[in-house]
Amino acid sequence: DQQVKQNSPSLSVQEGRISILNCDYTNSMFDYFLWYKKYPAEGPTFLISISSIKDKNEDGRFTVFLNKSAKHLSLHIVPSQPGDSAVYFCAASAHSSASKIIFGSGTRLSIRP
Amino acid sequence: EAGVAQSPRYKIIEKRQSVAFWCNPISGHATLYWYQQILGQGPKLLIQFQNNGVVDDSQLPKDRFSAERLKGVDSTLKIQPAKLEDSAVYLCASSFNRGRAGELFFGEGSRLTVL
Repeated sequence: DQQVKQNSPSLSVQEGRISILNCDYTNSMFDYFLWYKKYPAEGPTFLISISSIKDKNEDGRFTVFLNKSAKHLSLHIVPSQPGDSAVYFCAASAHSSASKIIFGSGTRLSIRP
Repeated sequence: EAGVAQSPRYKIIEKRQSVAFWCNPISGHATLYWYQQILGQGPKLLIQFQNNGVVDDSQLPKDRFSAERLKGVDSTLKIQPAKLEDSAVYLCASSFNRGRAGELFFGEGSRLTVL
């Protein structure tokens, strides 16, 4: 039972353009969402988060959008840079679950010159 | 600030053998997590500690996996006996916040191959 789904295993974007990574969730109890970034042979690192009381959160080149009615969130990276090439994991948690975080399967982003 | 330390980085064993992984979290982080990441999948929570106590171990295969956190600091994850499907990267993470999802700090992981 995949509660957090990332349906695109990979994405290739030209440097300087916008990268859009998508994530869907099924559990309506989720109220906090996060994106993690992972380079090869390293652990995931926190990138950005959003609470369900908001529909947008921005941090520099990274913006996360949340559409609660559609149970969908997306991560926008603009402009995309070579260092953004990594695997991106969407994650979610429900306050009632004492911070148990459920991860999606990840999307591998490649930024081409 | 030192990050989350894990060892060993790589381990190859045969099925039915045992293995242990060690984790030292960031100083002052009360919450410690062990995740299992199978190739092509996202990290799956195995067990979560708050200081010495277990908060969640609902997805830990308790017939073969065990974990402890000594004195609320270091933690050890053990698998005995190992199965082929245990081949994965075992990630340790720690966090400062309690009871609410927050930023997790992950170690580099321990890659296990079971032959």
